[in-house]
Amino acid sequence: DGGITQSPKYLFRKEGQNVTLSCEQNLNHDAMYWYRQDPGQGLRLIYYSQIVNDFQKGDIAEGYSVSREKKESFPLTVTSAQKNPTAFYLCASSLGPRNTEAFFGQGTRLTVV
Amino acid sequence: GESVGLHLPTLSVQEGDNSIINCAYSNSASDYFIWYKQESGKGPQFIIDIRSNMDKRQGQRVTVLLNKTVKHLSLQIAATQPGDSAVYFCAEKGQAGTALIFGKGTTLSVSS
Repeated sequence: DGGITQSPKYLFRKEGQNVTLSCEQNLNHDAMYWYRQDPGQGLRLIYYSQIVNDFQKGDIAEGYSVSREKKESFPLTVTSAQKNPTAFYLCASSLGPRNTEAFFGQGTRLTVV
Repeated sequence: GESVGLHLPTLSVQEGDNSIINCAYSNSASDYFIWYKQESGKGPQFIIDIRSNMDKRQGQRVTVLLNKTVKHLSLQIAATQPGDSAVYFCAEKGQAGTALIFGKGTTLSVSS
């Protein structure tokens, strides 16, 4: 099955700890994205990557970091510097940076206690 | 900050009615405007897009209208079904190399 996979679905961490969210795609897509979704809110862009070894900050990049060492993988690290990390995190990919159709994973719900 | 937004956070319709979901945007430089549907517990799913040089585009049971004069985008769903119940987001995309920017969403509830 081709698709985009986020793991885990639910994640709990203690305050002050860094945590890495996994995102893998086997669609051979060049572009990948991370969004954050809070209750009643739209999706806010954290980071995006148009191609391997390249990424750009989105609107709310502070407290987050990413890497894009492989085409298939775009992990997101939520650092202790992120003031309000509890949220629903969505990863997406698209064929290229020009494409309007993004394919989303099922999301990871992160709870920091 | 956000450059797209929706007029109403919720919309309730009866099964079989037509639904109209509205969105206002502020960035006139966007190349494309897109609608996504998000069902509970899932990631958003692409519905339809429209290029900025068009004013109407039709898909299966859906029509997107773009009014650049008033910076308004709408999604019309014909013969709304219970399976259409979801949160609908409008999004915009600028030139190549930019990511999708989403609005806040409208929750559509369809009752039988």
